[in-house]
Amino acid sequence: DSGVTQTPKHLITATGQRVTLRCSPRSGDLSVYWYQQSLDQGLQFLIQYYNGEERAKGNILERFSAQQFPDLHSELNLSSLELGDSALYFCASGSGVETQYFGPGTRLLVL
Amino acid sequence: LAKTTQPISMDSYEGQEVNITCSHNNIATNDYITWYQQFPSQGPRFIIQGYKTKVTNEVASLFIPADRKSSTLSLPRVSLSDTAVYYCLVAPWGGSSASKIIFGSGTRLSIRP
Repeated sequence: DSGVTQTPKHLITATGQRVTLRCSPRSGDLSVYWYQQSLDQGLQFLIQYYNGEERAKGNILERFSAQQFPDLHSELNLSSLELGDSALYFCASGSGVETQYFGPGTRLLVL
Repeated sequence: LAKTTQPISMDSYEGQEVNITCSHNNIATNDYITWYQQFPSQGPRFIIQGYKTKVTNEVASLFIPADRKSSTLSLPRVSLSDTAVYYCLVAPWGGSSASKIIFGSGTRLSIRP
């Protein structure tokens, strides 16, 4: 158990819809990272938050957004969903880029 | 961040030692090397991290030559449960910014009885 929790574990929705994924970091970690992992693209970094502020952006689509709240939990919002957005979404936390602790992931299926 | 290159896949047998090498030719002075293990449908798990020479923990050893342009993850006496994808990641120590984190495609290790 990494100490990072993610909800929900599974999510099935339709194209065009919007969903919110939630992540609670390990106690004491200020950074939260979001990743997308699909079969054909491997593990792709989306975005990082550090103590409530956006710190770095990776390959995140404009239809996706995230935020980190004062209690340090984070939410990833995915809107106007497309079939290609079906993937595993991981959240990780850590005190530095070099060591991250990953949550169990949310499996999103867009039909 | 330094780009890494690893073999796509490797096969071995239970009880053998497995060495997975990662190339990172443009590693920066303040970069550390970290290895992660990922089982299907689970998040990657931190295995080991190092800067130079050799690091050993209860799970693996990490060998880094003097020029630091490559690193080798060594798994002693593997078992079937070591079947997983292994990622090499190079990133600056203590950095709070993840600019462009690149996990790469990883090495798919298959262990046979």
